[in-house]
Amino acid sequence: NAGVMQNPRHLVRRRGQEARLRCSPMKGHSHVYWYRQLPEEGLKFMVYLQKENIIDESGMPKERFSAEFPKEGPSILRIQQVVRGDSAAYFCASSPQASSYEQYFGPGTRLTVT
Amino acid sequence: QQPVQSPQAVILREGEDAVINCSSSKALYSVHWYRQKHGEAPVFLMILLKGGEQKGHEKISASFNEKKQQSSLYLTASQLSYSGTYFCGTAPQEGGGADGLTFGKGTHLIIQP
Repeated sequence: NAGVMQNPRHLVRRRGQEARLRCSPMKGHSHVYWYRQLPEEGLKFMVYLQKENIIDESGMPKERFSAEFPKEGPSILRIQQVVRGDSAAYFCASSPQASSYEQYFGPGTRLTVT
Repeated sequence: QQPVQSPQAVILREGEDAVINCSSSKALYSVHWYRQKHGEAPVFLMILLKGGEQKGHEKISASFNEKKQQSSLYLTASQLSYSGTYFCGTAPQEGGGADGLTFGKGTHLIIQP
């Protein structure tokens, strides 16, 4: 049973470009969470999605960031017009249900903005 | 609000025990514990639920005091592989568990031979 998949693992973008990060949850999981981690810091919640629905985006910046989880295909976190401060590791996690279930993390995408 | 973890760092010799604490100012639905090694993804260890149910790792135990909004992770007879940063993640009671987790800043654990 494959775990949570994320790609790309490393992404380099120049300031002003767009970054697209993909996350395929574990088989049977329909809940996806995105987190951001800065070096030497904890994980910060960004957004929680179920298939075709954004459930909670309270941790996601209002501008330049968007997320989706379509009926078919992976969840995508999109960052438009990237700035240096967007450089971080972005992890997604999936769980089979929202309440009372553990979240399993993918390997992360390390975004570097030059 | 971010839970507070203590200690920030601890150095042990192999075979010694460690306790890591996590304290929240909010009423909690669940507490999740993860271990992360440098450059890797967090690995699930343990989940503690309001009401006492506990699911997790066979060699690691934890407690959850709902009244005090605190959880502790117990690592007994530590092994070299236990080294890493331990994070607690909390889900607030008001969300009924259907929320993203709020993580503490982490506890760095170093196990020496």
